[in-house]
Parts: sequence; structure tokens; C-alpha cells
Amino acid sequence: QVQLQESGPGLVKPSETLSLTCTVSSGSISPYYWSWIRQPPGKGLEWIGYIYHSGSTNYNPSLKSRVTISVDTSNNQFSLKLTSVNAADTAVYYCARAIYFDYWGQGILVTVSS
Amino acid sequence: DIQLTQSPSFLSASVGDRVTITCRASQGISSYLAWYQQKPGKAPNLLIYAASTLQRGTPSRFSGGGSGTEFTLTISRLQPEDFATYYCQQHYSYPLTFGGGTKVEIK
Repeated sequence: QVQLQESGPGLVKPSETLSLTCTVSSGSISPYYWSWIRQPPGKGLEWIGYIYHSGSTNYNPSLKSRVTISVDTSNNQFSLKLTSVNAADTAVYYCARAIYFDYWGQGILVTVSS
Repeated sequence: DIQLTQSPSFLSASVGDRVTITCRASQGISSYLAWYQQKPGKAPNLLIYAASTLQRGTPSRFSGGGSGTEFTLTISRLQPEDFATYYCQQHYSYPLTFGGGTKVEIK
């Protein structure tokens, strides 16, 4: 059973960079797509982007100018960086496998506040 | 972007009821649609992909149908553990998008 676990700071200051890592266990990063998805409190789901195990990426145009997703296959991890955050970026951030999402992490609440 | 519109957004039902949720796409997406169940404080759980294929472990009381622009999720006999929020998601084109959700509550 593939397991995903998000890690990173739960509080980020406005204008700074949000950085999260997803560790994949009981399975390999290859040969799958890996996505980041977020959910503001009490609201719906928004796909942020994916990375393929080879390193190719695809981002949501609504966030593309601020997002970088990278992969570390040797450690079975992939990461999210979101720059210039503001209060609207406060959300639970999930990592998930593929482009319809069969495995999810438990989610991590990231609050943007000074 | 492909917009997904779910209806209703809120549904009140009783245990044993048959429930149907609709998801409409702003343009044709063939059968590239998935359904998820989300309970409070938990990650979504994949129920159905490719419009009608049950994910391993999904109870058979769940079924999905449709193609093109109109899709349905049906729960044949609602169980207590089915009270949750349901989302559709298209995986036909990028950016991947979700419907706004349907909250199923106990009548």
C-alpha cells in the first residue's frame, strides 16, 4: 500500500516562499505522475501541478508564475515551492499520485500570516 | 479551463435512500472523470475513475455513469458511512479541475 506524507512549515509569512515535501513510501516514485492539490478551509479542491518521475512538469496557469515542483527519485520525494504567498494561499496542501488521484497524503495545513 | 458544475451542492437524505449526484462539464471530456468522497479532516478518497470504473475497495452500492459533458454518481442504498462531501474531477485536459462539491447530510 503506497503511503504519502507531507512535511514542512505550518506557518509562512506573507511574501515569503512556501516549501513542502512529500515522501512516498511502500512504493516507487517511478513511473508515475505526482501532484500537489490544495484546499482552502471550508472550500473546494484546486490542482496546483504535477511532476513526472522523469522531471517533466505541468502547472495550473493560475499559479504557474509562482510554482515550482521538483522530484528527488533517490529519496522517493517530490517537493513544492510557492513564492510570494499571501493570505489566499492559506490551505490544506495535499500530495497525491497521478492525474486521477488514487493515493493521497493526509494533508498539511499551511497558514499564511505575519 | 474546463469547468465542472455539480448539482445539487447540498443533499439531505436518509439511510437506505437512493442518491444521485450530477456533474456537468463545460465541454466534452469523453469518459475522463473521477469521483471522490471526502470526510471532515480527511483527504479525499478515490471512488470511481474513467466515469464508471470502481476503484479497488469501493463498495458496489456506488456506481458512475455518463460521458461527454454529463456524468452521474449514484449511491444505491445510502449507508451511515456515506455521509460526506463528494467531488468530481476531470482528467481530460490541463489544468485538472474539480467540481465544487456535493455535501450529503443525514435527513
